[in-house]
Amino acid sequence: DIQMTQSPSSLSASVGDRVTITCRASQDISNSLAWYQQKPGKAPNLLLYGASRLHTGVPSRFSGSGSGTDFTLTISSLQPEDFATYYCQHYYSIPRTFGQGTKVEVK
Amino acid sequence: QVQLVQSGAEVKKPGVSVKVSCKASGYTFTGHYVHWVRQAPGQGLEWMGWINPNSGGTNYAQKFRGYITMSRDTSINTAYMELSSLRSDDTAIYYCASSITTLSYAFDIWGQGTLVTVSS
Repeated sequence: DIQMTQSPSSLSASVGDRVTITCRASQDISNSLAWYQQKPGKAPNLLLYGASRLHTGVPSRFSGSGSGTDFTLTISSLQPEDFATYYCQHYYSIPRTFGQGTKVEVK
Repeated sequence: QVQLVQSGAEVKKPGVSVKVSCKASGYTFTGHYVHWVRQAPGQGLEWMGWINPNSGGTNYAQKFRGYITMSRDTSINTAYMELSSLRSDDTAIYYCASSITTLSYAFDIWGQGTLVTVSS
């Protein structure tokens, strides 16, 4: 099974900050990576797929990069509605493992 | 609109089974796999498996083999996930999800979640 490791597990930031979350796969997954945002009591929402493709309706302050084993999610200027937990997930093979999540909290 | 609507919360005793439904609308149900993902209280997301609504074929995560069954009823565009021999650590929110609009396997549509509580 491919393991997905996110870092950090949590971070504190202020509105307007640039935030970066990393995700590392235990083996090469090409660009078969998605990022999700989850708010308390809600289902996850897709932000990016194909490592860097923005899903429809997602603000352009979100961006993704990487290929192979190392990936990054960047929020260029954190907005109040961005405080949430973020998950990466690969879809290269079965099982479709998720990272353990990164909680973005108010500083 | 494209959506997945799940059945309501369940409270079950240890050792029994639970069956959660996921009704699809707004798209061709048989054209897209339905995945199940669970989230224990305060924990992360755990992929459980998928069902191909067209053929009924399934693929389960190793952890759940032997006590999970996914099925579907194409006449009512509904997928099901049944978990047997429930234990307290099966207490979680169960989500169905699918890939509809993106040309990838990322989950762009999710059900609202079904809380299953296992308690004696």
